[in-house]
Amino acid sequence: NAGVTQTPKFRVLKTGQSMTLLCAQDMNHEYMYWYRQDPGMGLRLIHYSVGEGTTAKGEVPDGYNVSRLKKQNFLLGLESAAPSQTSVYFCASAQHPYEQYFGPGTRLTVT
Amino acid sequence: AQSVTQLGSHVSVSEGALVLLRCNYSSSVPPYLFWYVQYPNQGLQLLLKYTSAATLVKGINGFEAEFKKSETSFHLTKPSAHMSDAAEYFCAVNYQLIWGAGTKLIIKP
Repeated sequence: NAGVTQTPKFRVLKTGQSMTLLCAQDMNHEYMYWYRQDPGMGLRLIHYSVGEGTTAKGEVPDGYNVSRLKKQNFLLGLESAAPSQTSVYFCASAQHPYEQYFGPGTRLTVT
Repeated sequence: AQSVTQLGSHVSVSEGALVLLRCNYSSSVPPYLFWYVQYPNQGLQLLLKYTSAATLVKGINGFEAEFKKSETSFHLTKPSAHMSDAAEYFCAVNYQLIWGAGTKLIIKP
């Protein structure tokens, strides 16, 4: 039982490049979330999903897109990376919306 | 509007001393409140949660928090700090988890 896994763990992008972050969970959870964590700002919700095939915007969705084609996977896409998207990205999943299980994070640097 | 304020970005206590991490919230609906802990280079882990049952909530690792509606607070305490408690602690409110900025707990030997 791996819990929540994130791929990749680290990535460096040049401005304008695109990439996809993968989140996978093996707990059959309905809810999945993408957050970014920046120093002194806590976590900010980017997008979330309440079930397979559904997505919704969070607090800071601009510049990101998501898809949840399979229940166990939640993908976060950056179409044209900007330095402001340098951050640590966390994925989380939950069966109940308030008891979230977090992945180990992806550290992204955009130069 | 919902918001969470954590007082003090850093709190330093001696090993064995009382730990008190402060969290105040604003919520337009009866709140659900949470404390999460983040150890270095790891994801977050749920420490405890308040979901309108008992106002004093006990969590893992000896932590507890008390919901005080009149003060709109949900402070986290532990009677005796241990070196392994050194981490960053986050308070959050409601289902979409509006997060506080976090408090880094430093334990002095």
